[in-house]
Amino acid sequence: EDQVTQSPEALRLQEGESSSLNCSYTVSGLRGLFWYRQDPGKGPEFLFTLYSAGEEKEKERLKATLTKKESFLHITAPKPEDSATYLCAVQAMVGFQKLVFGTGTRLLVSP
Amino acid sequence: DVKVTQSSRYLVKRTGEKVFLECVQDMDHENMFWYRQDPGLGLRLIYFSYDVKMKEKGDIPEGYSVSREKKERFSLILESASTNQTSMYLCASSTVGGARGRRRPQHFGDGTRLSIL
Repeated sequence: EDQVTQSPEALRLQEGESSSLNCSYTVSGLRGLFWYRQDPGKGPEFLFTLYSAGEEKEKERLKATLTKKESFLHITAPKPEDSATYLCAVQAMVGFQKLVFGTGTRLLVSP
Repeated sequence: DVKVTQSSRYLVKRTGEKVFLECVQDMDHENMFWYRQDPGLGLRLIYFSYDVKMKEKGDIPEGYSVSREKKERFSLILESASTNQTSMYLCASSTVGGARGRRRPQHFGDGTRLSIL
């Protein structure tokens, strides 16, 4: 069964304090790994797609990396506006375009 | 930008009522999805549709049905609402895969927070 585990569940950082969020996955052939950001009361907002081990994507203070077993979302010098829940999801080779989601990491960045 | 619009942000219904949740997307996407999101359980797929009038069950279809009469609109129906269907419901859409079988991301609406009393 395809599975995604995110850690930590919650993370509190000071503004400017860099850190990483982890997404471990088991999937029967990875077609894609997706990172989303979700603000309270809103739907998930797409950030990145990673397709193969070694791939990296960057957007402002965020950088996503992928290995054969896990993905990291690195946050460099975060600002309070980066506070949100970050969701990771995988899509398997087999089957339709179903996403399997982790339960997310709640990030709080204090000024 | 992709726009997925869900008709209600908040909805309160009574046990046993038939409930309709509506979703419209403006990007001519072929695929549409309904998820529910619960604390500690994450997002779980209820139903999806890859074409007009086509539907497939997701992981938790019991107690729900869907309708897709037009490409841009996907409706979720709670046949007889129960308290355990109180949740945040999220609609998403995506286009078919790109080059080398790579999948396009799903784009989400802002959700409907449904309370069943």
